[in-house]
Amino acid sequence: NAGVTQTPKFQVLKTGQSMTLQCAQDMNHNSMYWYRQDPGMGLRLIYYSASEGTTDKGEVPNGYNVSRLNKREFSLRLESAAPSQTSVYFCASSIGQPQHFGDGTRLSIL
Amino acid sequence: AQKITQTQPGMFVQEKEAVTLDCTYDTSDPSYGLFWYKQPSSGEMIFLIYQGSYDQQNATEGRYSLNFQKARKSANLVISASQLGDSAMYFCAMREGGAGGYNKLIFGAGTRLAVHP
Repeated sequence: NAGVTQTPKFQVLKTGQSMTLQCAQDMNHNSMYWYRQDPGMGLRLIYYSASEGTTDKGEVPNGYNVSRLNKREFSLRLESAAPSQTSVYFCASSIGQPQHFGDGTRLSIL
Repeated sequence: AQKITQTQPGMFVQEKEAVTLDCTYDTSDPSYGLFWYKQPSSGEMIFLIYQGSYDQQNATEGRYSLNFQKARKSANLVISASQLGDSAMYFCAMREGGAGGYNKLIFGAGTRLAVHP
C-alpha cells in the first residue's frame, strides 16, 4: 500500500543548479500539495493542485514551479536553487480530508 | 488572516499518564476544519484526528481526543494513557474555507512531546 511516494529522499545541490522533486499517489485523490518544513517551524504550502489540470500558488511559491502531470503525479521544480531553499519538502494528496503525506525529501543547497 | 498558535514548544509526560497539547486558532471563516498530525523522529507526517467547525461532538480516535472549544477558538489534543511511542512532534493545522474537494492547510509551529518511562 504505497500511498504517496516522493523521490528522491535526499539530495544535495549547488547554488544555481536546477532540480525536480517527484511525487506520485496511488489513492485516486483529486488534490495534491507541496509543502516545505524548515527547522522549528510547521509546514508551509508552496503550491497546490485542486484537480488535474489546475495549479495554484500557496503561501511561499517564490523560486518554485509545479506541474500536475496527470491525476497521479505532481512535480516541484527548483529552477535555480538557493541556500534559502534548504528544507524538507513534503508532498500530500487528498480527496476531502485529511491530507495524506509522503515521507519527505530532505534537500540541501550548498 | 488565519493563524494557528501552539504555545508549548516542548512537553513531557510520564508513561501511562494523560497529556494535553494546546492549539488556538484565528479565522473569520465560519466553515473550517482542524487537524492534528504526529511527526516522529523518522520524519513522516501521520494524521491523528480531525474536527469540523460544525461538528457537534468532540472528535475521538482511540487514545486521541480533540477538546474543541469554539468560543475560545481552541482545539487541544488530549492523549490518554501515554506510551513511549507517543514521543514525537505534534502539529495542529487548520483548513482554510469549506470542506470542498481540496483544502489548504495552515500549520502551527508544533509541540515536541517526550514520554518518560
